[in-house]
Amino acid sequence: ETGVTQSPTHLIKTRGQQVTLRCSSQSGHNTVSWYQQALGQGPQFIFQYYREEENGRGNFPPRFSGLQFPNYSSELNVNALELDDSALYLCASSWQGIDTQYFGPGTRLTVL
Amino acid sequence: KQEVTQIPAALSVPEGENLVLNCSFTDSAIYNLQWFRQDPGKGLTSLLLIQSSQREQTSGRLNASLDKSSGRSTLYIAASQPGDSATYLCAVNGPGGGADGLTFGKGTHLIIQP
Repeated sequence: ETGVTQSPTHLIKTRGQQVTLRCSSQSGHNTVSWYQQALGQGPQFIFQYYREEENGRGNFPPRFSGLQFPNYSSELNVNALELDDSALYLCASSWQGIDTQYFGPGTRLTVL
Repeated sequence: KQEVTQIPAALSVPEGENLVLNCSFTDSAIYNLQWFRQDPGKGLTSLLLIQSSQREQTSGRLNASLDKSSGRSTLYIAASQPGDSATYLCAVNGPGGGADGLTFGKGTHLIIQP
């Protein structure tokens, strides 16, 4: 059974740029959620995708967008990067979104 | 708006001690509660999930309890080991299930002294 994987591991961008982060869900899972974790804080829910549709969203602006593909992998896109977007971005997969959430290792994004 | 609080923020104990980590949440209308472990700079590892209808769950040296009506959960770690050193996070799933996303506390940073 393959776990949740994320790419890239680290990323450095400058303010105003755009970034795409990728996540491959665990085998058999149909739901992917994305979280942002600032240093010293708990993760904050960005949004969730179930069967290629966004079905839940946290308090994040529209410049945070995503996609889920037929194989249930997912992308997180962030436009017009701001310094405060610097964080660890985590993706989690689950069955139906209500079972145990399995997290990937995260992508560390630094915005300069 | 759901808020999750974890006490203490940090804890340092000698190896072999039993310890309790606390988690409280403001809205008792939850679907389930999950405890995670996070090593520095890493992702989260799921430890235990308790459904709203359950009172506790056990896995090895870990036992988690849930009192939904009072908005509290505890994570009990028996016979602590240096390898248990990590940040422990508590998270609740709202009544809408996964669509609400998990609401996390800030975590308890645990150090087990050899």
